[in-house]
Amino acid sequence: DAGVIQSPRHEVTEMGQEVTLRCKPISGHDYLFWYRQTMMRGLELLIYFNNNVPIDDSGMPEDRFSAKMPNASFSTLKIQPSEPRDSAVYFCASRQGAGYEQYFGPGTRLTVT
Amino acid sequence: DAKTTQPPSMDCAEGRAANLPCNHSTISGNEYVYWYRQIHSQGPQYIIHGLKNNETNEMASLIITEDRKSSTLILPHATLRDTAVYYCIVRGSSGDKLTFGTGTRLAVRP
Repeated sequence: DAGVIQSPRHEVTEMGQEVTLRCKPISGHDYLFWYRQTMMRGLELLIYFNNNVPIDDSGMPEDRFSAKMPNASFSTLKIQPSEPRDSAVYFCASRQGAGYEQYFGPGTRLTVT
Repeated sequence: DAKTTQPPSMDCAEGRAANLPCNHSTISGNEYVYWYRQIHSQGPQYIIHGLKNNETNEMASLIITEDRKSSTLILPHATLRDTAVYYCIVRGSSGDKLTFGTGTRLAVRP
């Protein structure tokens, strides 16, 4: 298996623009997690899905952030409008059932200027 | 989920054992101890987990004290590729979330 796939790997955009990050989980995994990592706040969970349904979005910072999972093999995290403080590395992870291990993707490094 | 405390940094010589401690004094009976690591610029990677018995896999060993208030991750023969930030996480058996703290930055010296 190719593992969790994220795209793009790097994104540079200007403040006010819309940003869409993409994630393909490992085939057969029914949980999907979005995390954000910054120097100041560390690694924090934004939202997670089970069977394509959002279960907990309490970590989503504000209404500018939205996440969708239209099917079992694809999820998006959208920021509209983007702000410089959104600059971070965004990780997607997936897990199979009640398994113990989350598999993380390589991350998307977002820079908002 | 219980809070964990780890030293901010440690180092060890290549080829020697690396012993990374973690305190989780408020852990409850159904909470597991997990260890993940994050090598620079990569996503976190699962290492091992345990409930109360000691555990060993191809990557590491996990020693949990009898009162379960602390644990130690052991990398038996550290290599330069083991240089990373190591996170100790406590998670309930029915919980889905992993709460990452600040971890321990391990530097393996040649």
